[in-house]
Amino acid sequence: GQQLNQSPQSMFIQEGEDVSMNCTSSSIFNTWLWYKQDPGEGPVLLIALYKAGELTSNGRLTAQFGITRKDSFLNISASIPSDVGIYFCAGQPGNQFYFGTGTSLTVIP
Amino acid sequence: NAGVTQTPKFRILKIGQSMTLQCAQDMNHNYMYWYRQDPGMGLKLIYYSVGAGITDKGEVPNGYNVSRSTTEDFPLRLELAAPSQTSVYFCASSPLDRELFFGEGSRLTVL
Repeated sequence: GQQLNQSPQSMFIQEGEDVSMNCTSSSIFNTWLWYKQDPGEGPVLLIALYKAGELTSNGRLTAQFGITRKDSFLNISASIPSDVGIYFCAGQPGNQFYFGTGTSLTVIP
Repeated sequence: NAGVTQTPKFRILKIGQSMTLQCAQDMNHNYMYWYRQDPGMGLKLIYYSVGAGITDKGEVPNGYNVSRSTTEDFPLRLELAAPSQTSVYFCASSPLDRELFFGEGSRLTVL
């Protein structure tokens, strides 16, 4: 299957700080998705990207579809305690979606 | 708004037993997927379907079977359960093969 490398694996930040995470793939993707998962729940879609170079925001979240189509970035500005959770990237080269291993975010009040 | 509904939410199986995880969506999505998530890991695709009557294998299909007789339902069958199938299973649906919408998951333990 496709390899999706997501980094960092975990982050511990102070409330109010900005956060950046990224995903890289070994092949070209047509779609990049970013999800957040809270404990015991299913992933919830944050942002969807469909075009190389696309930059999309959702409140304090901003994501970009890399120009090479092999990477994507997610930024969270001015973090708050409810941002705690695991963030996953997902990429789609065809009919299948492949997921990264996740970035665990802890926000310290 | 139901979205994607999975049942059961929790289940304990003995080695060698069989069971079916149910998944239903009310959004009229053509595409449906089954993923498993092991602790600390991302989601691995088991099977997917692009429409009623059409299914295909994902990355980790061994030990599982699926069927898609209607647009709404996409059950996942485990035959001869093994401890390696202990996991959290997520069903998802997608309109026109774009965003994935997930259910809340089914937590399976095989002892």
